[in-house]
Amino acid sequence: EIVLTQSPGTLSLSPGEGATLSCRASQSVRSDFLAWYQQKPGQAPRLLIFGASGRATGIPDRFSGSGSGTDFTLTISRLEPEDFAVYYCQQYGSSPPLTFGGGTKVEIK
Amino acid sequence: QVQLVESGGGVVQPWRSLRLSCAASGFTFSSYAMHWVRQAPGKGLECVAVISYDGSNKYYPDSVKGRFTISRDNSKNTLYLQMNSLRAEDTAVYYCAKGRVAGQFIYYFDYWGQGTQVTVSS
Repeated sequence: EIVLTQSPGTLSLSPGEGATLSCRASQSVRSDFLAWYQQKPGQAPRLLIFGASGRATGIPDRFSGSGSGTDFTLTISRLEPEDFAVYYCQQYGSSPPLTFGGGTKVEIK
Repeated sequence: QVQLVESGGGVVQPWRSLRLSCAASGFTFSSYAMHWVRQAPGKGLECVAVISYDGSNKYYPDSVKGRFTISRDNSKNTLYLQMNSLRAEDTAVYYCAKGRVAGQFIYYFDYWGQGTQVTVSS
């Protein structure tokens, strides 16, 4: 089973600032099959990024994903008020189980 | 548009059973693997069951293996999760989620339901 470790646990930032979220895998993720989701309180997660760097439909271009192998990054270029949420990475490149990271909370400073 | 609507959650005593349902619409249900994902209060996401598009392949993590059973009725566009011998640690919001690519057993999720709360308490 691939273990995903996200850091930091919490990121305190102001609107307009940039955010860099990290996701590290315990072993290489096949074909960069890594996704990122955003979750707001009381809501289901929403797909942001797939295949490490592909933006899902309707996702603003201030969200970008990068990385390969075991190290992946989600970057939010300029935080909007609606971007304050919890972000999860997920790998889907190996046999079951699909695994998620523990999440990074982006909070208003 | 794609809709996934879970139902069947509630408060249940330890060791009792509960069956969740997920009604799907807006896509060809019988072509896609489906998943159940849970989130304990204040915690992260855990995949607890996956079923292939035709029901022939299933997977469970050790935390629920032998207690939970995933199934589907493609004629009714409905996904199920039978949960037996429930424990306090099964308390969570349970989401159903759709795999992105038709026919693939494991892929990322492009749609999620709104979730149904399961509380295991005496």
